[in-house]
Amino acid sequence: DTEVTQTPKHLVMGMTNKKSLKCEQHMGHRAMYWYKQKAKKPPELMFVYSYEKLSINESVPSRFSPECPNSSLLNLHLHALQPEDSALYLCASSQDPSGFGYGYTFGSGTRLTVV
Amino acid sequence: DAKTTQPTSMDCAEGRAANLPCNHSTISGNEYVYWYRQIHSQGPQYIIHGLKNNETNEMASLIITEDRKSSTLILPHATLRDTAVYYCIATPLGAGSYQLTFGKGTKLSVIP
Repeated sequence: DTEVTQTPKHLVMGMTNKKSLKCEQHMGHRAMYWYKQKAKKPPELMFVYSYEKLSINESVPSRFSPECPNSSLLNLHLHALQPEDSALYLCASSQDPSGFGYGYTFGSGTRLTVV
Repeated sequence: DAKTTQPTSMDCAEGRAANLPCNHSTISGNEYVYWYRQIHSQGPQYIIHGLKNNETNEMASLIITEDRKSSTLILPHATLRDTAVYYCIATPLGAGSYQLTFGKGTKLSVIP
């Protein structure tokens, strides 16, 4: 298995809803990442997990809450989002947190619309 | 991470070689050059990376100048499926978590 699987592929949520995005990989990678991508912009890093521990939080608002229950799974819990949070949310993994290896493997993303 | 500069867009005829330049004049000795591409509405895809030697794999070739201040990604026979945004990233590897910071990239359009 050489993929990063993200579910759901599309999500529409109201500003008072609570929802979660899920990311799974079975490549034995020990680092996992969340990126946010607005339309026609490059991906922006949100969070980095290294050996299941949060190592980088790029000043992301608390309405985004990451969780890494085990080495294969990464969640992003969403609560009280704003319409400007609508974006493509990308998950990625890498073999080693040091970066040696062959880069990141990205999932195809969850397209989130906040109404 | 060193800043990279890429042209905003490029066109390439189908079947011809696509040569995508990247300038990274402030690159440090421990920074690698990575190339990724993102086809519309998909996640970015790793292409190739290198430190100072030229590299080739089944997807592309990477040519890094001797002074390491610039590089060129070469897609030898571009197809319509190579139409994408191509990102050049310079980043150090090693102790601690490394991270990829994406710039604006080059939008490559392969034309029939």
